[in-house]
Amino acid sequence: GQNIDQPTEMTATEGAIVQINCTYQTSGFNGLFWYQQHAGEAPTFLSYNVLDGLEEKGRFSSFLSRSKGYSYLLLKELQMKDSASYLCAVMDSNYQLIWGAGTKLIIKP
Amino acid sequence: IAGITQAPTSQILAAGRRMTLRCTQDMRHNAMYWYRQDLGLGLRLIHYSNTAGTTGKGEVPDGYSVSRANTDDFPLTLASAVPSQTSVYFCASSDSAASTDTQYFGPGTRLTVL
Repeated sequence: GQNIDQPTEMTATEGAIVQINCTYQTSGFNGLFWYQQHAGEAPTFLSYNVLDGLEEKGRFSSFLSRSKGYSYLLLKELQMKDSASYLCAVMDSNYQLIWGAGTKLIIKP
Repeated sequence: IAGITQAPTSQILAAGRRMTLRCTQDMRHNAMYWYRQDLGLGLRLIHYSNTAGTTGKGEVPDGYSVSRANTDDFPLTLASAVPSQTSVYFCASSDSAASTDTQYFGPGTRLTVL
């Protein structure tokens, strides 16, 4: 079967760095997406990785290792507005997104 | 502002009633999707449409139907609602189907079936 695993909840301090991990087992691989979802709102796109390595975009970076079925989202200089759920999704061989349950990130002052 | 709109924002529905959730996008995207989001679970695909005039079944299609008469609109119908269909429903679209194009989401409809 297809499976995406990510921690249910994480807590971090304002100004710090946090890494949210995602492991996956899917039927084929056409890339991995990270989305941010604030409570009661729609998911919004953060990043896309299809090749191994690190993609940096401002305070957010995303890493992929296809051989390990592993990705992480790195958030630097955390701000209170970063309190949200972070969703990992893998695009399978049929170009359908398989979603993890999301990681709720709580930022404390 | 370009994007996706959904209606209604929320709805409480008696079991057995018929309900249509509306979704409209103005980005001229070819592909559209309906997902449901339940606590503790990832988003699950209900139905999708690769282009106007075509639809397909996702992971959890039972009890739902869709139509795609034109590019902009993609309504989702619950023919006879049941309590297990209580969920938050998101419509999404992407420029093209069968591609790695980013999916953009509407604001969601919170549906409660009693």
